Amino acid sequence: GIQVEQSPPDLILQEGANSTLRCNFSDSVNNLQWFHQNPWGQLINLFYIPSGTKQNGRLSATTVATERYSLLYISSSQTTDSGVYFCAGTGANSKLTFGKGITLSVRP
Amino acid sequence: DAGITQSPRYKITETGRQVTLMCHQTWSHSYMFWYRQDLGHGLRLIYYSAAADITDKGEVPDGYVVSRSKTENFPLTLESATRSQTSVYFCASSDSRKQETQYFGPGTRLLVL
Repeated sequence: GIQVEQSPPDLILQEGANSTLRCNFSDSVNNLQWFHQNPWGQLINLFYIPSGTKQNGRLSATTVATERYSLLYISSSQTTDSGVYFCAGTGANSKLTFGKGITLSVRP
Repeated sequence: DAGITQSPRYKITETGRQVTLMCHQTWSHSYMFWYRQDLGHGLRLIYYSAAADITDKGEVPDGYVVSRSKTENFPLTLESATRSQTSVYFCASSDSRKQETQYFGPGTRLLVL
């Protein structure tokens, strides 16, 4: 199956700062998605983004499928953005594979 | 608007016991999934189902059994629980279009003593 690498593994921001989270894939993927897991454990789907760019409020994501990576941008970060961010995609086996996540802490 | 629910939310059991985790969704999604989340491993797919009576193995299926007699339910059974199955279990669903946009339940925290 595909390998999913996320970077950086941990990120600490001051409230109001911007950040970029990266996801690299070992092979071509479909169904690329970004998720946020809040401190209470709930997983929320942020973006379904197999290619191109999407924006939702302060969050945006860009996937360059030909180069096998995706970026999640967080602007004007807030303490409620804290948690773990996962990217995931399906490879040739059609099963969604997750990265190990990026732990984000936003300090007031 | 219940969405996707899991029960129980917390479970403590002993080694060797059978445990069933329930998952129910109200969207009539075709696809349903079971994942486990462990420190250092992220989320790993246990089993998935493309429709009622159709199931398939994921990355870590050993020790687990699933069934799907109705579209809205996808129970996961640990036939003889082991300590290595202590984990947080998430159920998810997506509609029939190429497994786009998976929606997750709140999770079940399972401790096997």
